[in-house]
Amino acid sequence: KAGVTQTPRYLIKTRGQQVTLSCSPISGHRSVSWYQQTPGQGLQFLFEYFSETQRNKGNFPGRFSGRQFSNSRSEMNVSTLELGDSALYLCASRAGTDTGELFFGEGSRLTVL
Amino acid sequence: AQRVTQPEKLLSVFKGAPVELKCNYSYSGSPELFWYVQYSRQRLQLLLRHISRESIKGFTADLNKGETSFHLKKPFAQEEDSAMYYCALPLFSGNTPLVFGKGTRLSVIA
Repeated sequence: KAGVTQTPRYLIKTRGQQVTLSCSPISGHRSVSWYQQTPGQGLQFLFEYFSETQRNKGNFPGRFSGRQFSNSRSEMNVSTLELGDSALYLCASRAGTDTGELFFGEGSRLTVL
Repeated sequence: AQRVTQPEKLLSVFKGAPVELKCNYSYSGSPELFWYVQYSRQRLQLLLRHISRESIKGFTADLNKGETSFHLKKPFAQEEDSAMYYCALPLFSGNTPLVFGKGTRLSVIA
């Protein structure tokens, strides 16, 4: 099986712009979670989607949003980018909501200038 | 919401020495705890989970409910153990997304 795939892998934006990141989960996995990884804060939970519905949301401002499509692929969007949004954004999938094991992608590294 | 604390940002040990990576948690109910590992240039991946009670790559972790700890241990460190280690548990009771500690970087010195 192919692993979790995230695109793009690297991107550079300027303050005020917006960005959309994409995640394709492992085939058959219906749950997708997003995390922000920074050296100072580690991994912080953004949100989780299951069957196109947001099930849980972390403590991030409304500029961070996401969605999931019927094929389980997910996108997250950050609007009005700030310098502090520079981070590695990780997507993880799992088969359902009754198992804790997450399978992570390689991440999308966002740099905001 | 639950919380995970990993008190050490960096832990350096010599090859062959014992390793203990600390993890403390706050949780209401019976937690399911995990250790994830990220080797250099690799994806974050599951190392072990407490319900399986397995030893993976020589690592074990015991859940101590009295001390609310889930420390990761290995009797003899190897250079290939150098990596970033994260302790994690469900965000809320039940099988909800995981919340991670800030991680401990283990450096094994030859």
